[in-house]
Amino acid sequence: QVQVQELGPGLVKPSETLSLTCNVSGDSISSHFWIWIRQPAEKGLEWIGRMNIHGITNYNPSLKNRVTMALDTSQNQISLKVRSVTAADTAVYYCARETPRVGDWIPEYWGQGTRVIVSS
Amino acid sequence: QIVLTQSPSASASLGASVRLTCTLSSGHGGFDIAWHQQQAEKGPRYLMKVNSDGRLTKGDGIPDRFSGSSSGTERHLTISSLQSEDEGDYYCQTWGAGVVVFGGGTKLTVL
Repeated sequence: QVQVQELGPGLVKPSETLSLTCNVSGDSISSHFWIWIRQPAEKGLEWIGRMNIHGITNYNPSLKNRVTMALDTSQNQISLKVRSVTAADTAVYYCARETPRVGDWIPEYWGQGTRVIVSS
Repeated sequence: QIVLTQSPSASASLGASVRLTCTLSSGHGGFDIAWHQQQAEKGPRYLMKVNSDGRLTKGDGIPDRFSGSSSGTERHLTISSLQSEDEGDYYCQTWGAGVVVFGGGTKLTVL
């Protein structure tokens, strides 16, 4: 059974870089696309981006200038960096594995999320 | 740009059935979508993919009480024999042109 667990700093100061990691067990990150999604408090889901081991990457156009995803096969981890954060980046951040069905960009296995607050 | 529209709220009684609707923006009637469930204070859970032709692909362990259907630009999620644990937020999601889009979600209350 695939399990993903997000880890983050909890609190980040405005203008700094937010760094998150996602630990994966029960599957190899080399085999699928991996996704980051976020959810501000009391709001809906916002897709951040997806990436696979071959470097194929897609980002939300509204965020692509500030975010970078990376895969670390030695740790079986996915990472996300969000630069120049503001209060609008305050959210719960989720990592997910995409379904293996080619062409279906569907998060199939989700983590429980990590809460990030941007505040001085 | 693809837009998914969902009613903000729905309610139904314990043991009854409820149908939630996700409407694709005009011109996007051929798109497949996925449904995800989010119970309070939990991460979302993938329920199923609903193809434009009505075919379903369910996630692991999703009960038969959950089903889906398609009609034009509408994609439906039907939950029968409602249980208290079905209460939560339900999001539809689609993809295309290099992006993933979520609907605003429907909060389901089980009375």
